[in-house]
Amino acid sequence: NAGVTQTPKFQVLKTGQSMTLQCAQDMNHNSMYWYRQDPGMGLRLIYYSASEGTTDKGEVPNGYNVSRLNKREFSLRLESAAPSQTSVYFCASTFMSNTEAFFGQGTRLTVV
Amino acid sequence: AQSVTQPDIHITVSEGASLELRCNYSYGATPYLFWYVQSPGQGLQLLLKYFSGDTLVQGIKGFEAEFKRSQSSFNLRKPSVHWSDAAEYFCAVGITSGTYKYIFGTGTRLKVLA
Repeated sequence: NAGVTQTPKFQVLKTGQSMTLQCAQDMNHNSMYWYRQDPGMGLRLIYYSASEGTTDKGEVPNGYNVSRLNKREFSLRLESAAPSQTSVYFCASTFMSNTEAFFGQGTRLTVV
Repeated sequence: AQSVTQPDIHITVSEGASLELRCNYSYGATPYLFWYVQSPGQGLQLLLKYFSGDTLVQGIKGFEAEFKRSQSSFNLRKPSVHWSDAAEYFCAVGITSGTYKYIFGTGTRLKVLA
């Protein structure tokens, strides 16, 4: 049982490049989340998907898009990367509203 | 707006001393409450959670937390800290506002002195 799998683990982009961060969970969870973690700012919610077919903006959605491809997969896309998007990105999932979140191991993204 | 506040960015304690990490939330109802720990370079691990019932909850690694509705708080405690507890600790709330969201505080970094 792999849990939540994120790819890639590390990435360096040039300003203006695009990329997609992949996330998949094998726990049959309904809700999935993308967070970014920056020093002193904790984890900030970028986008979330309460269920398959729905997505909603979180606290810091600008510059990002998401796709809930199916129940298992939730991808995060940077269309035109900026240095301000240098961060560690975490994907998470929950089964129901009152259950704990399970996290991937994170993607460390550097935009130069 | 819903929010989670962890007022202490850094805390330093001596090994064997007691620990209390503070967490306050802003929400119109009682949310689901969680504490997570993150070791350097790692993902997040759940320490404990509160949904309802007894307001003092026990978690892993000897941690406990107390929910106080009147203070909108969910503080994490440990009677005797071990050097391996050095990490970053996050309080989180699960709230239902149309859809379900999971919001984190800014974290408290714990340093343990030998």
